Amino acid sequence: DTGVSQNPRHKITKRGQNVTFRCDPISEHNRLYWYRQTLGQGPEFLTYFQNEAQLEKSRLLSDRFSAERPKGSFSTLEIQRTEQGDSAMYLCASSSLGGHTDTQYFGPGTRLTVL
Amino acid sequence: GNSVTQMEGPVTLSEEAFLTINCTYTATGYPSLFWYVQYPGEGLQLLLKATKADDKGSNKGFEATYRKETTSFHLEKGSVQVSDSAVYFCALIRADGGATNKLIFGTGTLLAVQP
Repeated sequence: DTGVSQNPRHKITKRGQNVTFRCDPISEHNRLYWYRQTLGQGPEFLTYFQNEAQLEKSRLLSDRFSAERPKGSFSTLEIQRTEQGDSAMYLCASSSLGGHTDTQYFGPGTRLTVL
Repeated sequence: GNSVTQMEGPVTLSEEAFLTINCTYTATGYPSLFWYVQYPGEGLQLLLKATKADDKGSNKGFEATYRKETTSFHLEKGSVQVSDSAVYFCALIRADGGATNKLIFGTGTLLAVQP
């Protein structure tokens, strides 16, 4: 069990550029979540996958955001035409379907800075 | 709706002092409750959890009891160490049978332990 990994750890980009982040969940986990955390706040839910199906998207996820999990393993989160307000930590978490409690394990996050 | 309210920080304590971080929640039914910890520059780590009323979660000397009557899940530790300095997040997963087990977080409480 190597834990949840995310790449890159840091990304600095100019406003208007596109960025893509990757998340590799714990290998046997079929649920994958993306959250966004801004400075001084708790994480906020963005979207959720069960296997390859994207089952829920938050209203926070504007049309510029898209997430995929093509083979039910790793996931990518793309932000098009970045804005300064997109600057945040993007966290990925995974969990395993089944059991009473859906315990989510988080990766180290990708910190995005939009200049 | 579902929400979590935490005491504001920072909480500054001397080593070996007693710690309490208050957390109350609003939710329908019986949500699952969690405490996560975030060390500087890192992602979130699960500290402890409780899934039903009167359950006590515990880990690394930290404890929290699920109190349905007061809708609370306060975090306690009898003797803090400098290494406990971090941001602590209280969170819940709703219990209304929704398809997504998204975590709803409080704003976090910064704990600073001085030697």
